[in-house]
Amino acid sequence: DGGITQSPKYLFRKEGQNVTLSCEQNLNHDAMYWYRQDPGQGLRLIYYSQIVNDFQKGDIAEGYSVSREKKESFPLTVTSAQKNPTAFYLCASSPGQGALGYTFGSGTRLTVV
Amino acid sequence: GENVGLHLPTLSVQEGDNSIINCAYSNSASDYFIWYKQESGKGPQFIIDIRSNMDKRQGQRVTVLLNKTVKHLSLQIAATQPGDSAVYFCADFETPDSSYKLIFGSGTRLLVRP
Repeated sequence: DGGITQSPKYLFRKEGQNVTLSCEQNLNHDAMYWYRQDPGQGLRLIYYSQIVNDFQKGDIAEGYSVSREKKESFPLTVTSAQKNPTAFYLCASSPGQGALGYTFGSGTRLTVV
Repeated sequence: GENVGLHLPTLSVQEGDNSIINCAYSNSASDYFIWYKQESGKGPQFIIDIRSNMDKRQGQRVTVLLNKTVKHLSLQIAATQPGDSAVYFCADFETPDSSYKLIFGSGTRLLVRP
């Protein structure tokens, strides 16, 4: 079955450490996205990528970094510069030209301990 | 975009009643809107979409209404069931600088009373 896989589902990080969240899709989608969701709130766009080796900042990119070396993969690194990283992180992908087929992963819940 | 960062409003309905969830958007250039349903601990799931050249679109038990004059969307769920309990988001599709991204509203929590 085609879809988006995020791993791990739960992640714990010590303060001051970087951590990388995985997102893999086998939908042959060109575009991929990372969103952050805080408890009881909506989704905010962190980074997005329309093609391999290219990505753009979203609304809340500070303290995060991404790479897009392969079409299937769009890992998100939460760096120590992100002051409040505890949140639910959602990855999504789309064919690229329009919103049709926009598909979300099941999310990674990151907690700083 | 929408007023992100606000705590979710909650709509409580009796099982079997109709639900109406509202959403306002700010970008008058938006031409495509989507409603998503999100259950706890899961990613959003597509419910229904509508283009700006339409006022109404119907799906199975759901109807979306679009009022471009006041920049307002609504999602109507007929005969609401316990399985409809979730958070519902509207999103508009923006294409700045030839890119494509969904901008989400803050969401509404729907609680269905048995």
